[in-house]
Amino acid sequence: GQQVMQIPQYQHVQEGEDFTTYCNSSTTLSNIQWYKQRPGGHPVFLIQLVKSGEVKKQKRLTFQFGEAKKNSSLHITATQTTDVGTYFCAGRTGANNLFFGTGTRLTVIP
Amino acid sequence: NAGVMQNPRHLVRRRGQEARLRCSPMKGHSHVYWYRQLPEEGLKFMVYLQKENIIDESGMPKERFSAEFPKEGPSILRIQQVVRGDSAAYFCASSPLGDRASPLHFGNGTRLTVT
Repeated sequence: GQQVMQIPQYQHVQEGEDFTTYCNSSTTLSNIQWYKQRPGGHPVFLIQLVKSGEVKKQKRLTFQFGEAKKNSSLHITATQTTDVGTYFCAGRTGANNLFFGTGTRLTVIP
Repeated sequence: NAGVMQNPRHLVRRRGQEARLRCSPMKGHSHVYWYRQLPEEGLKFMVYLQKENIIDESGMPKERFSAEFPKEGPSILRIQQVVRGDSAAYFCASSPLGDRASPLHFGNGTRLTVT
């Protein structure tokens, strides 16, 4: 079945350090989305990538979709305490249901 | 424009009771998804529905769980004869009609505790 793995599971960084989470799918994805969930909150959509090799930026966040459309990454430059939360990738293989990755929980130490 | 509304926010049930979780999608959205999240874990897909139809229920346990999305009213996730292992946060999400590429809009979730 569809599996989307993320590494690392947890990441603790000092405020100002960079952070990267990686997402890998067992199958080719038609598109990939990224979500952020604050502690005690619900997932909130960040961005969607569709094209092979696509790179998108949102301020300090850089999202990348692999050439084979099986992996993706999210990189945060100079983390801030507001970046705390769990980051999930989510992919579709063509059907409408969206499978979420295992998530990376980011802790930022002030 | 109200977002996805889920109620109740918190639900406590004793073992063997029934739990009914409700989800009203965003206005104009006719696709509803249910996910389960155990503490410290990711989001596990359960079921995907359109109005009056179950499109994909591959993530639903075969017994005790059912979901519906009637023509009128909210989507309902029903858990019969709850057990302690059902304790989790249940999130509903919605997306617009026929738009596979659109993001999901999540509700605040229902946190079910089975005692």
